[in-house]
Amino acid sequence: KNQVEQSPQSLIILEGKNCTLQCNYTVSPFSNLRWYKQDTGRGPVSLTIMTFSENTKSNGRYTATLDADTKQSSLHITASQLSDSASYICVVRGTGGSQGNLIFGKGTKLSVKP
Amino acid sequence: DAGVIQSPRHEVTEMGQEVTLRCKPISGHNSLFWYRQTMMRGLELLIYFNNNVPIDDSGMPEDRFSAKMPNASFSTLKIQPSEPRDSAVYFCASSSRTSGVADTQYFGPGTRLTVL
Repeated sequence: KNQVEQSPQSLIILEGKNCTLQCNYTVSPFSNLRWYKQDTGRGPVSLTIMTFSENTKSNGRYTATLDADTKQSSLHITASQLSDSASYICVVRGTGGSQGNLIFGKGTKLSVKP
Repeated sequence: DAGVIQSPRHEVTEMGQEVTLRCKPISGHNSLFWYRQTMMRGLELLIYFNNNVPIDDSGMPEDRFSAKMPNASFSTLKIQPSEPRDSAVYFCASSSRTSGVADTQYFGPGTRLTVL
């Protein structure tokens, strides 16, 4: 069964600290993996999209890594800011030409405290 | 661009009533998606359209749910009759499908539906 598991479910860190969020998936065959940031009361916003051949991709203080062999991805946040408080959702897309073939993780809720 | 526009932002209704949610995708985008988000189940894809045509509605929970896209700039998601378990945040997203390129979906602000 195609699944996306994220850990931890929630995380509290102090402003300025780094953190890493994990995403493990069983989706096969695999097309791409996305990380979204969702602020409370808002829709998700795309942070990164990684295809099979990409190992790492950065977007400012956000760096995503992908190991397609072990089916693991991580999202590293450097020098966290209060505005990083949000839910981070990992989404894996299978192949087959269907845009609807998306498997969503339940997200990691990050709280950054002053 | 104003982004994806959804209305209403909040809807409170009684069980058994008809509910219609509306979405205006980003101009020029040719794919539109309807999602439902709950604490228990996270984000779930309900249905998506390519060029106004429904492609995959396997995520629609039951016959009480229906979606239409009469033109490239408007879509509706209707629930009739509504039930308390339909309470959730409903998101609409759009994307521009470009062959060979991983597409990014742009989400609207969502409609928070409460069915009493």
